Amino acid sequence: EVKLEAAGGNLIQPGGSLRLSCVGSGFTFSSYNMNWVRQAPGKGPEWVSYISGSGGTIYYADSVEGRFTIFRDNAINSLFLQMDSLRDEDTAVYFCARQRGGSSSSFDYWGQGTLVTVSS
Amino acid sequence: AIRMTQSPSSFSASTGDRVTITCRASQDISSYLAWYQQKPGEAPNLLIYAASTLQSGVPSRFSGGGSGTDFTLTISCLQSEDFATYYCQQYYDYHPTFGPGTTVDIQ
Repeated sequence: EVKLEAAGGNLIQPGGSLRLSCVGSGFTFSSYNMNWVRQAPGKGPEWVSYISGSGGTIYYADSVEGRFTIFRDNAINSLFLQMDSLRDEDTAVYFCARQRGGSSSSFDYWGQGTLVTVSS
Repeated sequence: AIRMTQSPSSFSASTGDRVTITCRASQDISSYLAWYQQKPGEAPNLLIYAASTLQSGVPSRFSGGGSGTDFTLTISCLQSEDFATYYCQQYYDYHPTFGPGTTVDIQ
């Protein structure tokens, strides 16, 4: 059974840093491109970042470029999101999501989400 | 960025109804379109990809259509477990975007 478990969300002050993690199981983690998607309260999902299976290709949404860093450690089936210079508008539930196929494909499995609250 | 719109934003329906949700892209995205269902407190769940291909395990009462800029999601016979919010998503480029959602609630 494919599972993704996200963790690391917390209450953090503006300007602070936080690292999210996502552990995958039930599939060959290194063979799949992975993403972070966030959802602010009462809003639709917003794609945040993409990383290829090897980690060699990375993309970011304009809203987080230069502040967030996505990386992965395939040896421990883990995906990470390092979030720096956090802003109020980064408050959201953060999901990790697996891509079904290549870089242009839908997201077939999602983690349960972890809540990040940025507030003073 | 490719902008996605959905209509209606919400509506009420009854069990057994046939319902259709529309999604429009701001530019041609071919068939790089997915539909997701989301219930409160849960992650989105993939229903359809490539505009019309049913994800494994999804009931056949769900169907998708369209290409280019205009797409539809149809539920042929609404069941109680289908009351939820539905999102379309384009993955034509490396910055995928989601629609604002359509909430289907009980009439």
